[in-house]
Formats: sequence, structure tokens, C-alpha cells
Amino acid sequence: GAVVSQHPSRVICKSGTSVKIECRSLDFQATTMFWYRQFPKQSLMLMATSNEGSKATYEQGVEKDKFLINHASLTLSTLTVTSAHPEDSSFYICSAPLGGDLSDTQYFGPGTRLTVL
Amino acid sequence: AQSVTQLGSHVSVSEGALVLLRCNYSSSVPPYLFWYVQYPNQGLQLLLKYTSAATLVKGINGFEAEFKKSETSFHLTKPSAHMSDAAEYFCAVSGGSNYKLTFGKGTLLTVNP
Repeated sequence: GAVVSQHPSRVICKSGTSVKIECRSLDFQATTMFWYRQFPKQSLMLMATSNEGSKATYEQGVEKDKFLINHASLTLSTLTVTSAHPEDSSFYICSAPLGGDLSDTQYFGPGTRLTVL
Repeated sequence: AQSVTQLGSHVSVSEGALVLLRCNYSSSVPPYLFWYVQYPNQGLQLLLKYTSAATLVKGINGFEAEFKKSETSFHLTKPSAHMSDAAEYFCAVSGGSNYKLTFGKGTLLTVNP
């Protein structure tokens, strides 16, 4: 099956610093990628839709200036958490649909655990 | 608008017993329905999906789910639980003009020896 990778898998940073998380589709091209946030023992909440070559679309309540998304190529999307604070600590997961049909499977990355001290 | 309700945040079964994880959905358009499994500190793995073809969908690891439009349900079952099935299971729905998935809150499955 298709593979989506994320880097880093874990990151610990000080409050006020910025952290970049990469999401790569390794064996397919993804014009669209999704970024989710998952709090402990909770479900995934969609943060934004990353579109190659255009601006990301953010879900209601997600601060676009805090969570910067760049979809620079057909295989790479990055999420930058700017001026991170402890409440930003969470598990961030990206996904990418394999094809151009709504029923196509979304493949998920392994996630990035962010801890802000 | 779409939503997913997973009944039971925690289900516990004995090894070898039937697994039944419940999912009900709401969608204003014909839905696509998915079950994903998540092991600790990992991403999500697709178990199976319904895409308006056969209502009984077979997935990996012996799981299957049946789409029942009249009940707006897509329950996940497995005849005989294995210890390795212990994980968090998420039901999700999509539809409309984009790929957005709406997830349920998840059901933690524990399997007792």
C-alpha cells in the first residue's frame, strides 16, 4: 500500500519556539494532504487541508497564523507550529488520499508527538 | 454536515469471543464509510471501507462491517478476537465534494486472555 511518512516522530521544545513537522507521500503524489490533531484518548480533529501550489484551508477555530502550512511539492507538506505553548502539546497526524476519487483511501502518517515545555 | 457516533468508548472481550464495535453515522449526502485501527503512538491503518458497492464489506485481519442505510449504521465485527486486536478503533465518514473525514470518538478494544 501507499506510504506516508512524518518527521520527526517526537519533538520536545521550549515554550515560544517554532517547530516544523514534515509529511511526505513516499510512493505517490498527493495534491491534497490533511493535518489532524489528536489529544490523549480522543479522536482526530481535522485542522486544515493542505493544497499543493495554493493556500491551505483551515477548519473553524484553527489559527492559520499559528499553524503555518506549506505544500511545496506533490510529495511534501509541512506544518509549522509557531511560538509554541504547552497547550499546543499534542499528537499531530497527516494523511493523504491516494487518488482522485472520494472513496479513495486516505493513508495516514505515523504521527508526531509534540511536547512543549 | 456529517457526524459519527461510536457507542461505547471501551469494549472488553475475551480472546476467541465475538467482537462488535458500533458505529452510527449522519450524512446529508451518500456516505463513504471507513474503519481505521490505531495502535499506541502510531498513525491510523485502514481496516475496511464502504463505497456504495456491496453492503457487507470485508477487511483485513478478519474484520468485516455491514452498511445498513435504514439504521444509518456501519458496525464492525470479527468472529473471534485475538490478543493482537487490542487497539483503538475509529469509524469515519466522508462525502460531498472533498475528501474530508469526520471521525467518531473511537472505541478502545481490550482483549482478555
